[in-house]
Amino acid sequence: DTEVTQTPKHLVMGMTNKKSLKCEQHMGHRAMYWYKQKAKKPPELMFVYSYEKLSINESVPSRFSPECPNSSLLNLHLHALQPEDSALYLCASSRKTGGSSTDTQYFGPGTRLTVL
Amino acid sequence: AQTVTQSQPEMSVQEAETVTLSCTYDTSESDYYLFWYKQPPSRQMILVIRQEAYKQQNATENRFSVNFQKAAKSFSLKISDSQLGDAAMYFCAYRISGSARQLTFGSGTQLTVLP
Repeated sequence: DTEVTQTPKHLVMGMTNKKSLKCEQHMGHRAMYWYKQKAKKPPELMFVYSYEKLSINESVPSRFSPECPNSSLLNLHLHALQPEDSALYLCASSRKTGGSSTDTQYFGPGTRLTVL
Repeated sequence: AQTVTQSQPEMSVQEAETVTLSCTYDTSESDYYLFWYKQPPSRQMILVIRQEAYKQQNATENRFSVNFQKAAKSFSLKISDSQLGDAAMYFCAYRISGSARQLTFGSGTQLTVLP
């Protein structure tokens, strides 16, 4: 089973709203990732969690706030977003970060976010 | 810095024919991994195939195979007996062994399969 689930599938929010994206995996993976993807572009890494600790923040604005409550769950809290933040947000997981294994990332189906 | 280049923004293939998508990368590392991901209109990124740089044998997964030329830093994907369901954006990706930042993606190739 290589399933990563994400909810909601679609989200429309105003610039003053607070919302959260959720990602879940039950593969025992200890590394989880958030990516942002614009149309016809490759995904851009936002955050990496390793063993429930934030290990990489790719200079993401503070209006995006990640949270990893446990090893299976990853949230992305959104507040005061801008229209240019509209994109597909992908979650991924892998057995761990780095190492000498193939450590393949498996992606969820994404949340399509529209900011009005 | 590592870069991944996909020089074909769009390609098309007739159903049941064979198509090859190209990918080149630039790295000074010796231990790394290469991947092809497929992203259909449903937008889910699906792993197609992966290759360990230390392996000389080209990876194969059913109708998908790669031509890995380490010296030339080339990693092309061959799709045999193309099917309508193969239509998607294909991303080539690279990862250094031991890197926490994981994947560096190419810009993608949009593949159309013609009936």
